[in-house]
Amino acid sequence: AQSVTQLDSHVSVSEGTPVLLRCNYSSSYSPSLFWYVQHPNKGLQLLLKYTSAATLVKGINGFEAEFKKSETSFHLTKPSAHMSDAAEYFCVVSQWGSSNTGKLIFGQGTTLQVKP
Amino acid sequence: NAGVTQTPKFRILKIGQSMTLQCAQDMNHNYMYWYRQDPGMGLKLIYYSVGAGITDKGEVPNGYNVSRSTTEDFPLRLELAAPSQTSVYFCASEGSYNEQFFGPGTRLTVL
Repeated sequence: AQSVTQLDSHVSVSEGTPVLLRCNYSSSYSPSLFWYVQHPNKGLQLLLKYTSAATLVKGINGFEAEFKKSETSFHLTKPSAHMSDAAEYFCVVSQWGSSNTGKLIFGQGTTLQVKP
Repeated sequence: NAGVTQTPKFRILKIGQSMTLQCAQDMNHNYMYWYRQDPGMGLKLIYYSVGAGITDKGEVPNGYNVSRSTTEDFPLRLELAAPSQTSVYFCASEGSYNEQFFGPGTRLTVL
């Protein structure tokens, strides 16, 4: 069965410093992995996705993530945090079973705080 | 494209009342999903559909029903509202690479 663990429930950085949000996954299949962002009282927006093409995935707003099969990790990074990056971030694995539907398994979320 | 739309944005129900949360997408996606998000938590799957006329249960289906008569629409029905159903409900449809596109959500309070 697939699962995903976000290693930090809360991350605080200063504006202009790098961001690292950590995610480990477990999957019996070759997984599809995603990062979503949710700003307060908003819906979820797709940041980036890994679907077995390149292991380094670039997303929107300067975010990127690297798929490391040996470490079963899919950490999200950004070189320089902006105040508008403050939000909740979810690491997600797509669960494919016999019904062949891409049911998503969500991590618990990481709250990113950006200090001026 | 409007993407995924949901109505209403907010709703307050009394215990035992019923309501339907509407969801529509204009991307011609076959797969659609309903999730609920409780405070401080990730999303949990309620029901999903792989196409018109085909639906199946997710992780937390009790107290809910769905139908899918068209590709575009996927309404979620609450028959007898309970306080445990107070949550934010998100509808999503799935694109070509398993990525899901989410609606803005419906915030439901049951008193």
